[in-house]
Amino acid sequence: AQSVTQLGSHVSVSEGALVLLRCNYSSSVPPYLFWYVQYPNQGLQLLLKYTTGATLVKGINGFEAEFKKSETSFHLTKPSAHMSDAAEYFCAVTPDTGRRALTFGSGTRLQVQP
Amino acid sequence: SAVISQKPSRDICQRGTSLTIQCQVDSQVTMMFWYRQQPGQSLTLIATANQGSEATYESGFVIDKFPISRPNLTFSTLTVSNMSPEDSSIYLCSAGLSYNEQFFGPGTRLTVL
Repeated sequence: AQSVTQLGSHVSVSEGALVLLRCNYSSSVPPYLFWYVQYPNQGLQLLLKYTTGATLVKGINGFEAEFKKSETSFHLTKPSAHMSDAAEYFCAVTPDTGRRALTFGSGTRLQVQP
Repeated sequence: SAVISQKPSRDICQRGTSLTIQCQVDSQVTMMFWYRQQPGQSLTLIATANQGSEATYESGFVIDKFPISRPNLTFSTLTVSNMSPEDSSIYLCSAGLSYNEQFFGPGTRLTVL
């Protein structure tokens, strides 16, 4: 079984500031990890994913995440926030056997202040 | 990547009625799933839509309430039956060639009065 915990349901940053959205997972087997973004009144868009290989993963829109097995974490970062980054962000996990659909975290709403 | 469309994009329905949501993918995919996103909450998997056979439902979801069809590799429908206000949610279809490569549709926003 696997689960995802996202710390902080709301995060507010100033434009140009560092964005850090936290995700910790629990999985009985090695996981595949994902970050999705949901803009208001839209579906989910894949930001990035970790499956195997390099633990630092770069995604779209300047976001990146690092898989840290020892910390069971997959935090999402962006060096400089833009107003257009304001959205809901979801972390998700699936076991690396690839036989299960995604398990989502509760989501983090990012606000970007001018 | 796959492009996924859903119909309708939103609807307002009366209690006791049923609504069928369509999900169309622009290419053949192996996996199709249906999720529910209740107001202000995360996504919960309803079921895996299996081509040519009965869907696989998650705990808490039953076929009588959420019948699903998947007649081919690019199309699926989800019906929300005998609706109540508690069914007011966003329903999302996802699809992909594998479990770790899923793309989402724009969702169907359902309000039940």
